[in-house]
Amino acid sequence: KQEVTQIPAALSVPEGENLVLNCSFTDSAIYNLQWFRQDPGKGLTSLLLIQSSQREQTSGRLNASLDKSSGRSTLYIAASQPGDSATYLCVLDTDKLIFGTGTRLQVFP
Amino acid sequence: EAGVTQFPSHSVIEKGQTVTLRCDPISGHDNLYWYRRVMGKEIKFLLHFVKESKQDESGMPNNRFLAERTGGTYSTLKVQPAELEDSGVYFCASSQDQPGIDEQFFGPGTRLTVL
Repeated sequence: KQEVTQIPAALSVPEGENLVLNCSFTDSAIYNLQWFRQDPGKGLTSLLLIQSSQREQTSGRLNASLDKSSGRSTLYIAASQPGDSATYLCVLDTDKLIFGTGTRLQVFP
Repeated sequence: EAGVTQFPSHSVIEKGQTVTLRCDPISGHDNLYWYRRVMGKEIKFLLHFVKESKQDESGMPNNRFLAERTGGTYSTLKVQPAELEDSGVYFCASSQDQPGIDEQFFGPGTRLTVL
């Protein structure tokens, strides 16, 4: 059974710091891995999609990597800002969606 | 307690036809979301209901898509007329409307194929 764990569960940092959010999974048989952010009371916002054959994707201050062999993905946030405060989810796309446990991030001024 | 259910699980239609997808959220969940994954691409947000009201429909691709949630219970997503690029998997999710409780529970999705 595929399990997806995110570490840390919560993180509170001053703005400007570079952050690494971790996602680990037990079964490497995935199609894609996608990172989302979730803001209270809103739909999930897609951040980055890494297809199974890829190793990383970048968008602005965000960089996500995927290492299927070790069952890990990381989301790197450079120069964090208060607007980055949200819950970050990694989602494995197999024949169904498997959601990670989430990391609740707070960036304070 | 039943989770989020979606019907049908698969639908194959021809271009130009109409299809209606249904989502039944978890009982008591006021928030209902629609997402879709177009083939090989990322899952994207379509819209968000709070009870029967559309809170955010910024992700709806065009006016061929119509979502309703009459009575604030189940929701339907109609595509009329369907085009080839509408093929994909349509997911529904629901969540409670309570501060600090944000977890969205996803349904299994409806796989739509437009020929």
